[in-house]
Amino acid sequence: DGGITQSPKYLFRKEGQNVTLSCEQNLNHDAMYWYRQDPGQGLRLIYYSQIVNDFQKGDIAEGYSVSREKKESFPLTVTSAQKNPTAFYLCASSNRDGYNEQFFGPGTRLTVL
Amino acid sequence: EDKVVQSPLSLVVHEGDTVTLNCSYEVTNFRSLLWYKQEKKAPTFLFMLTSSGIEKKSGRLSSILDKKELFSILNITATQTGDSAVYLCAFSSGSARQLTFGSGTQLTVLP
Repeated sequence: DGGITQSPKYLFRKEGQNVTLSCEQNLNHDAMYWYRQDPGQGLRLIYYSQIVNDFQKGDIAEGYSVSREKKESFPLTVTSAQKNPTAFYLCASSNRDGYNEQFFGPGTRLTVL
Repeated sequence: EDKVVQSPLSLVVHEGDTVTLNCSYEVTNFRSLLWYKQEKKAPTFLFMLTSSGIEKKSGRLSSILDKKELFSILNITATQTGDSAVYLCAFSSGSARQLTFGSGTQLTVLP
């Protein structure tokens, strides 16, 4: 089945630790995205990548880093510099051409203890 | 600055009611407006609207875009408890493909 997978589903970390969230897609999509969602709010864009080995900052990139070494994978690292990392993180992908919608993974809920 | 505002923030109705959710936007170089439904986890795609005045319909859901007045509505007729969710509106602009989301409307349908 084609789709987007994110792991882990739930993640706990201590303050001061870096943590990496996984996102993999087998939809052959060129573009991939990371969003953050806080309770009662919409999605805010962290980083996006339209092609392998290239990515751009979104609206709230501070304290996060990404890589795009393979078309299928777009991992997000939440660094210790992110002041308020507890949130629900969603990964999405889309075709690069045209007016195509984004498809979302199931999300990772990160809690900093 | 581009922005999108959804209203109401929350809505409680009974099964069988009809609801209208609103999304207004201010954006330069508009490309498309999208509606998603979010039930606890990942948002699922409902509609993409690019042309003004053309209604898109899927079962009991329908949506339309007004590019002159800069808004879109999502209608749900004969609501069911399974329609309870957060409905998100988003737009894409410019040459990039990222979306800008509104804060969502929390719809609760009571039996």
